[in-house]
Amino acid sequence: DGGITQSPKYLFRKEGQNVTLSCEQNLNHDAMYWYRQDPGQGLRLIYYSQIVNDFQKGDIAEGYSVSREKKESFPLTVTSAQKNPTAFYLCASSAGARYNEQFFGPGTRLTVL
Amino acid sequence: GQQVMQIPQYQHVQEGEDFTTYCNSSTTLSNIQWYKQRPGGHPVFLIQLVKSGEVKKQKRLTFQFGEAKKNSSLHITATQTTDVGTYFCADRTGTASKLTFGTGTRLQVTL
Repeated sequence: DGGITQSPKYLFRKEGQNVTLSCEQNLNHDAMYWYRQDPGQGLRLIYYSQIVNDFQKGDIAEGYSVSREKKESFPLTVTSAQKNPTAFYLCASSAGARYNEQFFGPGTRLTVL
Repeated sequence: GQQVMQIPQYQHVQEGEDFTTYCNSSTTLSNIQWYKQRPGGHPVFLIQLVKSGEVKKQKRLTFQFGEAKKNSSLHITATQTTDVGTYFCADRTGTASKLTFGTGTRLQVTL
């Protein structure tokens, strides 16, 4: 069954701790993306990767880091430098060609206490 | 940078009424994608528009791309409770495969 998985669905962390969100896809897609969604808001791009071992900053990359060591995986680390980390985090992938749609995972809701 | 605005932010309709959301950009749009996000869920791709003036239909949904490629719209005829959710437009710009999402329109449908 092909798709994108994100784990966990809900995550709680204490302020000052780094936390890593998982994103795995078995769609054989080249491109992967991380978005942040705040209540009642749109999606803002954090980081994206068009190919293994390469990634670019999106619109709100400060306080976040990523890696792309494998095609299937694109983990996102929310560092203690992120001022307001509590949000809904969505991972997506696409085949990478200019006209292909993005497929989203179920998301991880991060709450920092 | 590019800003993609959607209006209205929120609309509440009775089942059977029509609904339209508009997507407007500060710059010329490259190609527009539309997504639907159910409450508590994740965005799901609906359609893509590429050509100026393009119109596409999916059952009760009609999607349009403006002649000047500065705006797009999604019209739902005779809404149903299953249409509830937030509708986003997104523009694919530049050479990268990234999207700039609009602010979204939340649709509530009641009986």
